[in-house]
Amino acid sequence: EVQLVESGGGLVQPGGSLRLSCAASGFIISNYWMSWVRQVPGKGLEWVANIKQDGSERYYIDSVKGRFTISRDNAKNSLDLQMNSLRDEDTAVYYCAGEDVLTGGFDYWGQGTLVTVSS
Amino acid sequence: DIQMTQSPSSLSASVGDRVTITCRSSQNIRHSLNWYQQKAGKAPKLIIYAAFSLHSGVPPRFSGSGSGTDFNLTISSLEPEDFATYHCQQSYSSPTFGQGTRVEIK
Repeated sequence: EVQLVESGGGLVQPGGSLRLSCAASGFIISNYWMSWVRQVPGKGLEWVANIKQDGSERYYIDSVKGRFTISRDNAKNSLDLQMNSLRDEDTAVYYCAGEDVLTGGFDYWGQGTLVTVSS
Repeated sequence: DIQMTQSPSSLSASVGDRVTITCRSSQNIRHSLNWYQQKAGKAPKLIIYAAFSLHSGVPPRFSGSGSGTDFNLTISSLEPEDFATYHCQQSYSSPTFGQGTRVEIK
């Protein structure tokens, strides 16, 4: 059974930092582009960042460039998102997701972890 | 960035109804369009990829159509488990999603 389990969410003050992690089982992340996708509760989905299978390419939505860093450890089958200089508008549930090149879609999702940025 | 616009934002329907949701992209994305189903408190699930291909395990009452800038998701006969929010997503360039369509019980 494929499982992606996110951790590291919580309450942080504006300007603070958090590091999210995603641990995969039953699923070899080295075969997939991996992404972080976020969702403000009750709102739509927003792709945040992705990273190529070997880590050689990384892309970000404009609003997080220079503040967030996506990374992966294929040996540990895990994905991270380092979030610095957090803003109120970064408050959301953050999902890790795996993209299958055969479908072009996000085939695999974690259950999400809530990040709340508030003073 | 490619903008995705879904309509309607919500709809009410009954079990057995035929339902169609529309997604429009701000530029030509060929067939690079995916649909997801999301239930409350859960992660999205991929149901249609590449505009019209049914993902593994998805019942055939779901279908996708369209190309270029205009796409549809159709549920031919609503089942109780289909009441959920549906999202479109383009995979032509950096991924972007529509705002979602909530399908509610009438």
